[in-house]
Amino acid sequence: GAGVSQTPSNKVTEKGKYVELRCDPISGHTALYWYRQSLGQGPEFLIYFQGTGAADDSGLPNDRFFAVRPEGSVSTLKIQRTERGDSAVYLCASSFSGGSTDTQYFGPGTRLTVL
Amino acid sequence: AQKVTQAQTEISVVEKEDVTLDCVYETRDTTYYLFWYKQPPSGELVFLIRRNSFDEQNEISGRYSWNFQKSTSSFNFTITASQVVDSAVYFCALSESGTSGSRLTFGEGTQLTVNP
Repeated sequence: GAGVSQTPSNKVTEKGKYVELRCDPISGHTALYWYRQSLGQGPEFLIYFQGTGAADDSGLPNDRFFAVRPEGSVSTLKIQRTERGDSAVYLCASSFSGGSTDTQYFGPGTRLTVL
Repeated sequence: AQKVTQAQTEISVVEKEDVTLDCVYETRDTTYYLFWYKQPPSGELVFLIRRNSFDEQNEISGRYSWNFQKSTSSFNFTITASQVVDSAVYFCALSESGTSGSRLTFGEGTQLTVNP
């Protein structure tokens, strides 16, 4: 079956602009996660959705970052007033139910470059 | 707070050598889960294994094996007879029971290069 997909694969934007990154999870997975991976680092948790609701957004760095999952499937990560420090690979993962025994399956990521 | 440490930033071996990637974790929970992921140059994280804290049996899958030792809070990964295709960044990760969802805490990764 299809894995997690993310679009676009690459996004280049200018400082101050608004961007949206999309994630399409594995069909039937109720849990969805966003992580951010800076160069040479491990992924860092941003936000977790269970169904349509954000169950844990404690990893979002500030209020310029926001994510939605209106129908419990596709999710969009939104970044306002982008800064050069936002440049990173944004990874999306999904799991069947969100339980701690679940395995998260990752998408290929979106590489965001803020000039 | 939970933490994962992968002290080896880079490892370089010659094909057919065995190589062990170290992972040390910190957690206050008695129930937790450990993972290894592989990140090849394409960038996608590929799941390799999950272990729970109650199961200390070592596991072998083909050329891969994992050694979990609670006494030293370690979950090391060994590749036997390494191949060029094993070249990738390998991440160890931890999730705790009871936290919302199963957010993963990753180590900083070990870049493995297998030379022909």
